[in-house]
Amino acid sequence: QKEVEQNSGPLSVPEGAIASLNCTYSDRGSQSFFWYRQYSGKSPELIMSIYSNGDKEDGRFTAQLNKASQYVSLLIRDSQPSDSATYLCAVIYAGNNRKLIWGLGTSLAVNP
Amino acid sequence: NAGVTQTPKFQVLKTGQSMTLQCAQDMNHNSMYWYRQDPGMGLRLIYYSASEGTTDKGEVPNGYNVSRLNKREFSLRLESAAPSQTSVYFCASSTIGGTSTDTQYFGPGTRLTVL
Repeated sequence: QKEVEQNSGPLSVPEGAIASLNCTYSDRGSQSFFWYRQYSGKSPELIMSIYSNGDKEDGRFTAQLNKASQYVSLLIRDSQPSDSATYLCAVIYAGNNRKLIWGLGTSLAVNP
Repeated sequence: NAGVTQTPKFQVLKTGQSMTLQCAQDMNHNSMYWYRQDPGMGLRLIYYSASEGTTDKGEVPNGYNVSRLNKREFSLRLESAAPSQTSVYFCASSTIGGTSTDTQYFGPGTRLTVL
């Protein structure tokens, strides 16, 4: 059974702090990794995709991938109240016909 | 460029009624997906279509049917609705190649209640 695991939270950080969200996956054959943000009552929207080991930065967001340890993380710098949402991690496994396996999400609350 | 659109946005059905959820994308994507999302259960794949003319079951296909009408449109049908099908339904699409390979883009969702 392919799995993607995230802490459900809620993760609470003060405004301006760094929020760190983590995701682990079970299959070393995983190829592609995605972070989505979902506001309450809305659909998921892509924040970052990462395909190779290391860091990938986009504005205040940094995705980090470590395939040897089978984890992917998302750092949000200078957190804002508007970042309060559920963050979903998703992984494509080799041989899974390119279907995404989803984590249950981590709820983030940024307090003013 | 509307992205992924879904109709209707809200629907209330009685047990045993049927309905079709419509999804269309204008991004020329090959692959399309139907998910349901329930509290505490995350996103679960119902059916997907890797390309026009093909459909395959996902994790939770029972009680549903799909039609890939053409490259743009992918519909989900509930033949005899049950209260267990009360959920939020999302359609998504993706393509292979380029910087956004395999990235799934979601529609706004359909909130379905079965009484």
